[in-house]
Amino acid sequence: DTGVSQDPRHKITKRGQNVTFRCDPISEHNRLYWYRQTLGQGPEFLTYFQNEAQLEKSRLLSDRFSAERPKGSFSTLEIQRTEQGDSAMYLCASSRGQDLGVEQYFGPGTRLTVT
Amino acid sequence: DQQVKQNSPSLSVQEGRISILNCDYTNSMFDYFLWYKKYPAEGPTFLISISSIKDKNEDGRFTVFLNKSAKHLSLHIVPSQPGDSAVYFCAAQWGGGGADGLTFGKGTHLIIQP
Repeated sequence: DTGVSQDPRHKITKRGQNVTFRCDPISEHNRLYWYRQTLGQGPEFLTYFQNEAQLEKSRLLSDRFSAERPKGSFSTLEIQRTEQGDSAMYLCASSRGQDLGVEQYFGPGTRLTVT
Repeated sequence: DQQVKQNSPSLSVQEGRISILNCDYTNSMFDYFLWYKKYPAEGPTFLISISSIKDKNEDGRFTVFLNKSAKHLSLHIVPSQPGDSAVYFCAAQWGGGGADGLTFGKGTHLIIQP
């Protein structure tokens, strides 16, 4: 299967712990996006990369959130000092090129539960 | 404030009939609009898109209409099939700095009745 993959699929953590999620995009895609989806809402854009460069990070929800894509391939999203309000589905998407309207392919998401 | 609005949380349609899903937006800077379909426990799947310079785009059973003056778009599915039962998200993209992240509505749950 050559789609977008995310790991883990589910994560349960205690409040105050740090968590890291991984996303592997489709191999020839140079753009990688992170979104968060809470219950009853659509996905909310957080940040994106073109190759290894993070081109937009002002939408990250707080300074506890950070993302990397060190070699322009896989990406990680880290949340430090998790809070109960961080419980959500975290989605990764990738796309080829930088044209408008280019389809973003989504992974299955990582569901985070903070207890 | 929601920049992309889907005001119908759910819609029930009989199999074989037309499904019409609506979406309104407030930001006139949006340049592209996309529709995604989502099944439970899966990520959203792209359906169809439309540029702001067009008013219609068609792909098989799916047609998207854009009324830029009303800041309104709609997705028509005809004929509706049982496999179309899913949550449909309208999304918009601003092209000011290149292809940025998408702004999504809250979704409409489409239920196709046999």
